[in-house]
Amino acid sequence: QSALTQPASVSGSPGQSITISCTGTSSDVGAYNYVSWYQHHPGKAPKLMIYEVNIRPSGVSNRFSGSKSGNTASLTISGLQAEDEADYYCSSYTSSTTLVVFGGGTEVTVL
Amino acid sequence: QVQLQESGPGLVKPSQTLSLTCSVSVGSINSGGYYWSWIRRHPGKGLEWIGYIHYTGNTYYNPSLKSRVTISADTSSNQFSLKLTSVTAADTAVYHCARLIGYSYGLDYFDYWGQGTLVTVSS
Repeated sequence: QSALTQPASVSGSPGQSITISCTGTSSDVGAYNYVSWYQHHPGKAPKLMIYEVNIRPSGVSNRFSGSKSGNTASLTISGLQAEDEADYYCSSYTSSTTLVVFGGGTEVTVL
Repeated sequence: QVQLQESGPGLVKPSQTLSLTCSVSVGSINSGGYYWSWIRRHPGKGLEWIGYIHYTGNTYYNPSLKSRVTISADTSSNQFSLKLTSVTAADTAVYHCARLIGYSYGLDYFDYWGQGTLVTVSS
């Protein structure tokens, strides 16, 4: 069982917006702004999409945005496109001795 | 663009040692404030951070694996390695290496990853 809780799957039609939640605790997501999101297409290297809650690295589409409220972080994909179909993982720094925790991953399907 | 590539046996027998190497292209693993990490993904499950080696040579391991893990670096080859001893079927996973951005007061994000290599533990 992963330390951060994500929905197993989220789907949407092309052009729609979807949001993926990532729920942690007051020791990780709620305590730090070191929350990041990764996109993973099978067989490829995971790609950093958002870091420090809401910062997009250079080259990442502005259709991807991040936010946080309390112990829950969220990734929103707007204007959903076929190429967005992938697995998405959240991660956070934690005050526990584990230091870094991940979510279980969310499979995004474009209908 | 930094690229990371994992290499090593895809099949390891139970009780033996899993050994993987990550080759880093562009830039030296001996420079900058980077934490060179290993992460694994069990089939059908989420990601698990295994640990890191800092460019200073300091290491840190996930407490759940600490007794069995060693991460080391070969700066002359610009590679870092993972050794996991006494493996069982529960260690079957895709193993990724990644570069972690961090500071003395916290670990931030993984900006570059390898595509991963599947290691199966089976007799």
